[in-house]
Parts: sequence; structure tokens; C-alpha cells
Amino acid sequence: EPEVTQTPSHQVTQMGQEVILRCVPISNHLYFYWYRQILGQKVEFLVSFYNNEISEKSEIFDDQFSVERPDGSNFTLKIRSTKLEDSAMYFCASSEEIGAAISGNTIYFGEGSWLTVV
Amino acid sequence: DAKTTQPTSMDCAEGRAANLPCNHSTISGNEYVYWYRQIHSQGPQYIIHGLKNNETNEMASLIITEDRKSSTLILPHATLRDTAVYYCIVRVGQGSGNTPLVFGKGTRLSVIA
Repeated sequence: EPEVTQTPSHQVTQMGQEVILRCVPISNHLYFYWYRQILGQKVEFLVSFYNNEISEKSEIFDDQFSVERPDGSNFTLKIRSTKLEDSAMYFCASSEEIGAAISGNTIYFGEGSWLTVV
Repeated sequence: DAKTTQPTSMDCAEGRAANLPCNHSTISGNEYVYWYRQIHSQGPQYIIHGLKNNETNEMASLIITEDRKSSTLILPHATLRDTAVYYCIVRVGQGSGNTPLVFGKGTRLSVIA
């Protein structure tokens, strides 16, 4: 079964350092997402990406964050200068583009990247 | 904010059916009901979704009331591996773009041996 894969599974970084989290979405999917989950809290939407541009973002996704699809398979989340409060699990997800005649479009998640900022 | 209401937690005996309720009284006509689960900080796992008809797949059944204001996810024979947080989410499923999922706190299901 196709799946979303994420690397690294766990990263520890110093406060102020740049971090890049990588994702390989399911191959025929065209919509990509990043979510995060701070330990013990809800899964929160960060950003969605389609056709090489951000289609929607939450207020969490400030200027410290950026996303990129550098090639035909990878989708990355960059945190420019990490803060302690960026410590969380980051989930990448993807979904197909759908037409109006197709019922529902499912978003599939990767297993996440644990980011610990010290 | 999440547009659904779910009980905080539920218990279910192993081998019995687990029935997880969800209220979504403000659901719009073009919004689907999606169910996901999260097993101990793993990535959310898709279970099932539906618009107005009942749905069944290899994992679960989804029963949606006729007025669409509530639904029930049924795991027919719960196992210990079904212990997880279950999320009921309403979302536009087709048409104008792929709207993101908005997660609430979900229901923590504990399957007991």
C-alpha cells in the first residue's frame, strides 16, 4: 500500500538552528500538508501546498516556516531559527486532486518526525 | 475549531463491538464525515468517511443519521490494537480545493482484555 514517508524520524537541534524536515508524499498525489502535534496536545494544521504554492496556512505558520517541493518527489518543511516551543511531532500528509464527480478525497499521513529543540 | 463533539473517553471489552458516537449538528450539505485514529503519537490513520449513506470497509462501519447531525463509528470486533484516540472530522470533500482536516480532541478508546 502506498504511504507517505518522512525523515528524519527524530531530530534534536539547538535553539536558533535551522531544521529541514523531509517528506515523500504518495506518488500520484498533488496536495501536500504539514501538521504538528505538541506533546499531549491536538494535531494542528500548519500549511497546505498545491501546484508549487501555498494554498492555505494557519496562524502558526509564520515567517520562520517555509515549505518547498524541490523536485518531483520531495516536500520539505524548513524552520529557519528554531525555538523551544517548536518542539513537536511534525506530520506530513498528502491527498489526490479530485474532480467534482468524485466523492471525498482522503488525506494520508506519514509517521511523523519528532523535533526536539534544546 | 473542530465542528464535532465526541466523548472524551470510552472503554470496550476485547472482541466486542466498539461504538464511537460523534455529533456534528452544524454540518453543511457538502461536508463529509471523516474518521481517523492515532495510536500513541503515530501518524493519524484514515479509517472511513461518508456523506449521507452508511459506509463499510475492512476496518469499520460508519452509520450517519438521516438528518446528518450525528454519526457512529463501529469497530465490529475490537482488539487490543484498536486502543487509540479516534477523531471525527467534518470537511468539504469535493469541489473547491482540498480543505485541510481540523482535529479536535477525539475519543480515547481503551480496549480491555
